[in-house]
Amino acid sequence: QKEVEQDPGPLSVPEGAIVSLNCTYSNSAFQYFMWYRQYSRKGPELLMYTYSSGNKEDGRFTAQVDKSSKYISLFIRDSQPSDSATYLCAMSLNAGGTSYGKLTFGQGTILTVHP
Amino acid sequence: NAGVMQNPRHLVRRRGQEARLRCSPMKGHSHVYWYRQLPEEGLKFMVYLQKENIIDESGMPKERFSAEFPKEGPSILRIQQVVRGDSAAYFCASSLLQGNTEAFFGQGTRLTVV
Repeated sequence: QKEVEQDPGPLSVPEGAIVSLNCTYSNSAFQYFMWYRQYSRKGPELLMYTYSSGNKEDGRFTAQVDKSSKYISLFIRDSQPSDSATYLCAMSLNAGGTSYGKLTFGQGTILTVHP
Repeated sequence: NAGVMQNPRHLVRRRGQEARLRCSPMKGHSHVYWYRQLPEEGLKFMVYLQKENIIDESGMPKERFSAEFPKEGPSILRIQQVVRGDSAAYFCASSLLQGNTEAFFGQGTRLTVV
């Protein structure tokens, strides 16, 4: 079993739709949760960063973390064709020790928003 | 302020040759991380370095792979005697503080072994 599971999709939605992307994880020690966006042939770009459980909103993006269920989500409201990309969830352990610098990624979900 | 710079962007090597991948972190960043992305897979952690120190190399293959981050100059990921299975995109990230929570990634080096 992978430490972080993410449905690779692909996911195709019409412009203006609400997109829901999800990851589950098995390691209860993960404390920091991130979402990255990666355009084709480019490097990952940090979208959202959340510590522990709760919600965080930034413009059209909302990140949710439910540590009791080991489940994280990213919601994109009013999706645009420019949102078409691969979305990667990532997690890291609590502060302290050498493991603090290591991110564990999901496989990534390919999203296409069509006009 | 330039971002994380990786070069070359594309690298082709024949089996058995050496590959050297370079990463210049963002200005002021002293923490560097290397990740590998195989086709159809997510990014896999390889190594975490600070200036002149390897902090965590738990993701590095035991043989043929090495990494350094000297006091001066870029971080180098070196792959000796490359094999076809080494073909992948290699990404470098840097952060200002210890920990990868707000790391910035470079554009990657796409290694093809022929």
